[in-house]
Amino acid sequence: EDQVTQSPEALRLQEGESSSLNCSYTVSGLRGLFWYRQDPGKGPEFLFTLYSAGEEKEKERLKATLTKKESFLHITAPKPEDSATYLCAVQAGSNFNKFYFGSGTKLNVKP
Amino acid sequence: NAGVTQTPKFQVLKTGQSMTLQCAQDMNHNSMYWYRQDPGMGLRLIYYSASEGTTDKGEVPNGYNVSRLNKREFSLRLESAAPSQTSVYFCASSDPGLAGGQQFFGPGTRLTVL
Repeated sequence: EDQVTQSPEALRLQEGESSSLNCSYTVSGLRGLFWYRQDPGKGPEFLFTLYSAGEEKEKERLKATLTKKESFLHITAPKPEDSATYLCAVQAGSNFNKFYFGSGTKLNVKP
Repeated sequence: NAGVTQTPKFQVLKTGQSMTLQCAQDMNHNSMYWYRQDPGMGLRLIYYSASEGTTDKGEVPNGYNVSRLNKREFSLRLESAAPSQTSVYFCASSDPGLAGGQQFFGPGTRLTVL
């Protein structure tokens, strides 16, 4: 069964304290892995797409990496405005419209 | 561009009542989706539409019906609401076969069924 697991469920960091969020997946025929940011009371907002093992993408303080079994979202020197829930999703198999979401990591960055 | 819009933003229903959630997108995407989000369970796909005139079941379709009215609009109907359908509902759109393929989400509808 296709599955996406995110860890930790919640993460508290001090401003400037770097860390990583994990997204592990067991799917057949990965087409793409997506990272989203979700602020309270809002819909998810797209951050990155990764397609193959070894690929990396960066945006400001965020860097996403992909292996054959998991993806990491590295947050370097976070600021309070980085506080949000981070979701990962995988697109897999022959149906382009099937996306499987993890339950998210809630990040809280304290000043 | 408004992106993906949803109405209403909040709704309270009594058990057994019916309602329709509306969604529209202005990005000319072929695919549209309805998800529900419950605490600790992430986003679960209810129904999707790969193109105008087609709809397919997702992971949790029971108790819901959908209509792809045209390329822009995709509605979700609860015929007889139950407390288990209390959730936040998100509509999304994308062109999943294209490079990128990311989904664009609406702001959500927070539904409470008493």
